[in-house]
Amino acid sequence: EKQVLESGGGLAQPGGSLRLSCAGSGFSFMYHAINWVRQAPGKGLEWVSIVSGDGTYIYYADSVMGRFAISRDVSKNTLFLHMSDLRAEDSALYYCVKGTNSGNYKGDYDYGMDVWGQGTTVTVSS
Amino acid sequence: QSVLTQPPSVSEAPRQRVTIFCSGSDSNIGNNAVNWYQQLPGKAPKLLIYLDLLLASGVSGRFSGSKSGTSASLAISGLQSEDEADYYCAAWDDSLKGYVFGSGTKVTVL
Repeated sequence: EKQVLESGGGLAQPGGSLRLSCAGSGFSFMYHAINWVRQAPGKGLEWVSIVSGDGTYIYYADSVMGRFAISRDVSKNTLFLHMSDLRAEDSALYYCVKGTNSGNYKGDYDYGMDVWGQGTTVTVSS
Repeated sequence: QSVLTQPPSVSEAPRQRVTIFCSGSDSNIGNNAVNWYQQLPGKAPKLLIYLDLLLASGVSGRFSGSKSGTSASLAISGLQSEDEADYYCAAWDDSLKGYVFGSGTKVTVL
């Protein structure tokens, strides 16, 4: 069974940093794009970032550009989201989400995201 | 303010049909496929529809998707209480270089 498991959430001060982790099982990060999607309390879904299976393509939402960065350890099938200069509006449940396809080709994005974790909560507050 | 526009809520009686509309632009729905996600209360979202109209694995045939131009729709036929959830449309946006989501539509079974 394909699964992803997020960890690393917690309380951070405004301007602070956190690192989220996403561990995958039952599939390889080399062959699937991995996304981060967040959901503020009582709000809708907001896409945050994506890395393609071959690692060539990494994209970020404008709202986090320059503050968040993705890295990964393919050998451990683990992805990291490095979050810095955190703001109150970054408070949300962060989901790690497996892309149905690799994301190496533009058409891959049309297949959506098919495996969602349970999320890890980030709270930014003083 | 979401890039894709959805109605906040729809409601219908059991066994009836509801349709949720999602409106976008040339840079997203007009040029890329639409995906639909279902989020049951307190749960993580689940992929329902991909490539505009294909059912994800294990999804009931009561769900169907369609697209025309820069708009898409999700229909649920034979509405059941278990369909009460938030539904989100999404598509890749070529200008933003990322996925954009609709604001979500809450389906209530009367």
